[in-house]
Amino acid sequence: SAVISQKPSRDICQRGTSLTIQCQVDSQVTMMFWYRQQPGQSLTLIATANQGSEATYESGFVIDKFPISRPNLTFSTLTVSNMSPEDSSIYLCSVPGQGQLNEQFFGPGTRLTVL
Amino acid sequence: SQQGEEDPQALSIQEGENATMNCSYKTSINNLQWYRQNSGRGLVHLILIRSNEREKHSGRLRVTLDTSKKSSSLLITASRAADTASYFCAANAGGTSYGKLTFGQGTILTVHP
Repeated sequence: SAVISQKPSRDICQRGTSLTIQCQVDSQVTMMFWYRQQPGQSLTLIATANQGSEATYESGFVIDKFPISRPNLTFSTLTVSNMSPEDSSIYLCSVPGQGQLNEQFFGPGTRLTVL
Repeated sequence: SQQGEEDPQALSIQEGENATMNCSYKTSINNLQWYRQNSGRGLVHLILIRSNEREKHSGRLRVTLDTSKKSSSLLITASRAADTASYFCAANAGGTSYGKLTFGQGTILTVHP
């Protein structure tokens, strides 16, 4: 399985500010995925981060609010812009495994609290 | 609408008992994966079952898949207090949705020592 790290692990931010979350993988992967888990809820896919092209966003998520960068095959960032308390969530990145099984592995998550 | 709905939402059992969690999904899948999450941390991948498989085992875990009913179940045998966590199923449709998962609402499992 891939080893995935995220920074920061948690943060407390003020309303109106922005936070950039980093995701680092120990192997090269074509696609990386960003998910959000709101308090007490399940996970929802935000977007797919493609290397060499713009991210693909799911319904309900827009680039202006969640800009994504993918400068190389092992790294991606997700920015949560102009934050409000409703953005308080755990943000997780995910990558597919290297084998044939199509398993998806997740990073440890970034717990964001917006005051 | 979200695929993957799970029941029960919460399950409380004694150590040594078996725990069964169920998951339903709405559209065709390539595979279905089960995850564990401890106290709001990252997800731990437990097991993947492909659409052409009916049952799969991994240690104390047994997963079944019924594509005709669009449902899956996760059985944890001889549960331990350390199994206390939230469990999620996640469906992958494959094809152009490669890598994208649609999660169920999850089951909160509490195992009492």
